[in-house]
Amino acid sequence: GESVGLHLPTLSVQEGDNSIINCAYSNSASDYFIWYKQESGKGPQFIIDIRSNMDKRQGQRVTVLLNKTVKHLSLQIAATQPGDSAVYFCAEIKTGANNLFFGTGTRLTVIP
Amino acid sequence: EAGVVQSPRYKIIEKKQPVAFWCNPISGHNTLYWYRQNLGQGPELLIRYENEEAVDDSQLPKDRFSAERLKGVDSTLKIQPAELGDSAVYLCASSLVPSGELFFGEGSRLTVL
Repeated sequence: GESVGLHLPTLSVQEGDNSIINCAYSNSASDYFIWYKQESGKGPQFIIDIRSNMDKRQGQRVTVLLNKTVKHLSLQIAATQPGDSAVYFCAEIKTGANNLFFGTGTRLTVIP
Repeated sequence: EAGVVQSPRYKIIEKKQPVAFWCNPISGHNTLYWYRQNLGQGPELLIRYENEEAVDDSQLPKDRFSAERLKGVDSTLKIQPAELGDSAVYLCASSLVPSGELFFGEGSRLTVL
């Protein structure tokens, strides 16, 4: 199977709190990591990406952290909103390849 | 700008029947992907096209699956004959160039009885 995996399948947070979604990878040859959000009945939607030569990247309310030492990727969502409820996938592109490989996903539920 | 359009959204067939899915990518996107997503799993790549050329079909079960992308725009994915294990959501995605930022359609949900 693919090397991208997730620590927890589900996560529930209170509205307004920060969310942290974790992902472990085992392939050191990956040079590009991406987070996708998938709402029910829809296709995945690109959120943010990070290259392996970076440790951190910020977007609007989201931050991705990459720890290459322990092969760990995380997505932080600030001030989580009900609209953030979805399944979040981490994905990777391996060096020399152009194909995206997805992990299993974490379901985030935001409690109003 | 229109997104990736897929049809049909839902399809229910009996095993051994054929089925076809259609995808219209975002205008100007040269790279087109077909993914299969099983329940509770992440999408798995079936085939990737760059223009008309299938550049990676290593994960496509060629005994029953086929795909084409005539004229480098629309694409069809066919299964013949369908098996129970083919029940899944078939996602089409496109990108301007091969990259990690893919634009997905809403998918075609196949149920094989």
